Amino acid sequence: AQRVTQPEKLLSVFKGAPVELKCNYSYSGSPELFWYVQYSRQRLQLLLRHISRESIKGFTADLNKGETSFHLKKPFAQEEDSAMYYCALKSNLGNEKLTFGTGTRLTIIP
Amino acid sequence: DTGVSQNPRHKITKRGQNVTFRCDPISEHNRLYWYRQTLGQGPEFLTYFQNEAQLEKSRLLSDRFSAERPKGSFSTLEIQRTEQGDSAMYLCASSSEPYEQYFGPGTRLTVT
Repeated sequence: AQRVTQPEKLLSVFKGAPVELKCNYSYSGSPELFWYVQYSRQRLQLLLRHISRESIKGFTADLNKGETSFHLKKPFAQEEDSAMYYCALKSNLGNEKLTFGTGTRLTIIP
Repeated sequence: DTGVSQNPRHKITKRGQNVTFRCDPISEHNRLYWYRQTLGQGPEFLTYFQNEAQLEKSRLLSDRFSAERPKGSFSTLEIQRTEQGDSAMYLCASSSEPYEQYFGPGTRLTVT
């Protein structure tokens, strides 16, 4: 079975401070990991995926297979980063479903 | 707006009634997904279509739930004999390849 755990439901960070949103996963194979974001009154959208190894809106995430983690990081938080963030996993066995964590609501304090 | 659209956006129904939701994916996308999201949870996978073929179904999709995508374009999700536990946001997503799923705004179902 595959599972995604986001231990923090709420996270508040001051503007300009570093941000880290935690994500741990449980999966026996080699998963694909994603971060999705939902801004206020907008639909869920992809932020980044581990295979692309790119930085989006200043966010990066590294897949750590030893610790089974995929934490999302940004060195300097901006007010527009306030949103709901979901970590998601897809197996490498050909099925297409995404397994989501419960999400972390990030609030940036001005 | 060329994104994924869902109708209706809100549905209130009485327990025991049947409801049907519609999803129109992005036009060139051959993959279509349904998820359910309850308060405080992330989206949970329900089912997946590639063109008109339903290729995956979650155990969450009980016999009261049925989904179709008759011509490989729009999809419908029907819930028969609704129960209060069916109250949730029902999300549709589409994609042209396995990596990025584009989500619709969702249909919020309230069963009274």
